[in-house]
Parts: sequence; C-alpha cells; structure tokens
Amino acid sequence: RKEVEQDPGPFNVPEGATVAFNCTYSNSASQSFFWYRQDCRKEPKLLMSVYSSGNEDGRFTAQLNRASQYISLLIRDSKLSDSATYLCVVNTRAGGTSYGKLTFGQGTILTVHP
Amino acid sequence: GAGVSQSPSNKVTEKGKDVELRCDPISGHTALYWYRQSLGQGLEFLIYFQGNSAPDKSGLPSDRFSAERTGGSVSTLTIQRTQQEDSAVYLCASSIPQGAENIQYFGAGTRLSVL
Repeated sequence: RKEVEQDPGPFNVPEGATVAFNCTYSNSASQSFFWYRQDCRKEPKLLMSVYSSGNEDGRFTAQLNRASQYISLLIRDSKLSDSATYLCVVNTRAGGTSYGKLTFGQGTILTVHP
Repeated sequence: GAGVSQSPSNKVTEKGKDVELRCDPISGHTALYWYRQSLGQGLEFLIYFQGNSAPDKSGLPSDRFSAERTGGSVSTLTIQRTQQEDSAVYLCASSIPQGAENIQYFGAGTRLSVL
C-alpha cells in the first residue's frame, strides 16, 4: 500500500464548478499535511497547509480527519487557471528529531474547461 | 529573495556517462532534498540533508547515485554510469524545518535525458 494515495483523475470540470479531491495516508504518526500544485512541466508549489480544524484560502478549503487518516481539498468556482496537478503531501517527523520527510501522493489531474 | 536554483535546466547524455546536477538552496535554509519525477509519475524521494546531521540516503535507487552538500549550502547529485531508466526530472527543494511544519520550496528541476 502506498504511503499517500490519491485518485489520479483526471477530473474534467466546467468553469464555475465545485470539485473535491481526496487523499489518504497510511502513517498515523504523520504530523503535518499540505496540498501542492504542479503545473505542466513546472516544479511543485505550495498551495496550502492543512490544519486539523480545517482551513480556507479564498476558493480553496482543506480538511483533515486524523482518525480516518484522510485529507481533502475543495475548490469552489473553478477557474481555467486552476488546471494543474494537485499533490497531497504528508510530513512525518523521525523520532527524536525536529524535522520530517515529505511524502508525495501521485497527484490528481484537474482540467477546467470553458 | 532568490529561490532554489538548479543547473543545468536540461541535460542530454549518453548511456554510461556520469552526470552532475547542481542545486543552490534558498539562503538560510538548513534542509535540502533531492527528488526524482519520471514522466507522468509522482515525486520519488532520493536524499535529504539537514544541517550537520548525517544525510538520509534511504531513497537513492542504487549505488550509482550519490550526493554531497558542501558547506551546508550548495548540493551536487551525481549519477555514475547513467542508464536510460535514469531519464527523469530531478528536483531539488529546501526548507527551514520548524517543528511539525516543513514547507519545501522547489527549484525548476533538471530534465535529464539518457540516450
């Protein structure tokens, strides 16, 4: 079983649609969680961190369920510019250290069309 | 300020040759990571440097791969006797690990093609 699993999609949605991505992780010791965005042939860039209480940044809402080891990303009012691959990322800190290692999911491809 | 810088941006080499890829992290970032991304695939962790600690080499796929980070700044990833399956984009990231947070900033990558 992969440490971080995502539905690879692709998701094809019209502009203005609401779309949700899901992600599960296997290591219950994981401490922090992120969504990264990767445009075609570009490097990944941080979209948002994911907090236990849930957090929102404009049209983007991220949720974390530690009990189920599940992370989600909701995009409202999709724009053409939202077309990208969305990477679910989990940080797991090695015991006794102050740092951790990120594990990336395979990514979910989103295409927003006119 | 300047982001993570990688060079070269593209590298074409012949099978069996050695290559060196360079990463210049964001100034002040103590952690540096190398990843590999094959076409249509996710990021594969290769190696991690944190300050003066011994690097985490657990992701290196074979002993043909090695990396150094001199002076706590610039890092070089070396692939010896390259094989066609080494063709991929090699991404470098740096961060300032703070507690549970570990936000990594990526360079644009080196696209390696082994003929």
